[in-house]
Amino acid sequence: EAQVTQNPRYLITVTGKKLTVTCSQNMNHEYMSWYRQDPGLGLRQIYYSMNVEVTDKGDVPEGYKVSRKEKRNFPLILESPSPNQTSLYFCASSLIRGPNTGELFFGEGSRLTVL
Amino acid sequence: AQTVTQSQPEMSVQEAETVTLSCTYDTSESDYYLFWYKQPPSRQMILVIRQEAYKQQNATENRFSVNFQKAAKSFSLKISDSQLGDAAMYFCAYYWEYGNKLVFGAGTILRVKS
Repeated sequence: EAQVTQNPRYLITVTGKKLTVTCSQNMNHEYMSWYRQDPGLGLRQIYYSMNVEVTDKGDVPEGYKVSRKEKRNFPLILESPSPNQTSLYFCASSLIRGPNTGELFFGEGSRLTVL
Repeated sequence: AQTVTQSQPEMSVQEAETVTLSCTYDTSESDYYLFWYKQPPSRQMILVIRQEAYKQQNATENRFSVNFQKAAKSFSLKISDSQLGDAAMYFCAYYWEYGNKLVFGAGTILRVKS
């Protein structure tokens, strides 16, 4: 089954404690991206990757890091989480070109709370 | 920068009736894609419908159809014969091939009354 898998789905942590949210896709997609969803703001892009070892900032990258060492994996790292990073996070992937251009496949979301 | 505006934070519809969700966007590009995504309480993001800007014909998917007005930069979603399972948050989104991201609106919560 084609899917994007995120873990953990729920996490409560404290300010400053490093955490990683993993993301893996099994569709051989070149493009992967992280979004955060906040009430009244929709989804905003944090980082994206066009292929292995190629990453770039989105609209709200501050406080986050990513890496793309393998095509299927795109972890999101919060080195020193702060309460303003409390949010719902989505990983997504897609092909870069083709008939479904722009159509993102989303993971199930990770609800992160930073105390 | 491209922006997407959904002016209706909440909408309600009676079961079996029709509802239209509004979306406007701002872009200087001529070739792009527009989407409606549905987010039920499970939080899963589900693609509802997609429209290519170069196509004049409005996209339809069963009970879901769009009214795409390119000159007005408007992309509304019509849901016919509304069902309880349609209750969700709906996001309008814009994609430009060289922008490397979907740009989302703030969302519209749709409530369906039985």
